[in-house]
Amino acid sequence: DTGVSQDPRHKITKRGQNVTFRCDPISEHNRLYWYRQTLGQGPEFLTYFQNEAQLEKSRLLSDRFSAERPKGSFSTLEIQRTEQGDSAMYLCASSPAESTDTQYFGPGTRLTVL
Amino acid sequence: QQQVKQSPQSLIVQKGGISIINCAYENTAFDYFPWYQQFPGKGPALLIAIRPDVSEKKEGRFTISFNKSAKQFSLHIMDSQPGDSATYFCAYPPWVAGRRALTFGSGTRLQVQP
Repeated sequence: DTGVSQDPRHKITKRGQNVTFRCDPISEHNRLYWYRQTLGQGPEFLTYFQNEAQLEKSRLLSDRFSAERPKGSFSTLEIQRTEQGDSAMYLCASSPAESTDTQYFGPGTRLTVL
Repeated sequence: QQQVKQSPQSLIVQKGGISIINCAYENTAFDYFPWYQQFPGKGPALLIAIRPDVSEKKEGRFTISFNKSAKQFSLHIMDSQPGDSATYFCAYPPWVAGRRALTFGSGTRLQVQP
């Protein structure tokens, strides 16, 4: 399967704990996006990488959130001191340089903060 | 800041019927309007997209039509099947910082009854 993969698929944590999610984009896709989706809503943009450079961050991305893409391949999203309001599906998407219109989404990581 | 208004929020259609989902945009001066389909537990996937230089695009049972005066796009699903049961999102598509900055509508949950 050469699609976008995310790990873990589900994460349950207690409030105040740190969590880290991983995204492996489609090979050779240089653009990578993180979104957050809450129940009954569309995905909301969090941040965007072009290769290893983080070019944009949404206002939704508070100081407790950090994302990296160290070698321009996989990316990690870390949430520190989780809050119950962080409970959501975290989606990763990627797109190739030659066709940036279409974003290919992974299956997401569902986070539940107790 | 509402940039795309999607309706209805939910839709129940009998097998073989026509499903119609509408999206109204505040600004239609863009070059690309995508629709995404999301099944439970999965990430969204591009279903069909239209450039505004055409008033209609058809792919199999799925058709997008564009009403320029109403600033509205409509997704029609002909001969709806139970396998079409999913959530459908239109997206607002401007370019920001070298990326397609998709802002998703609130979604329409379609249920096709057998």
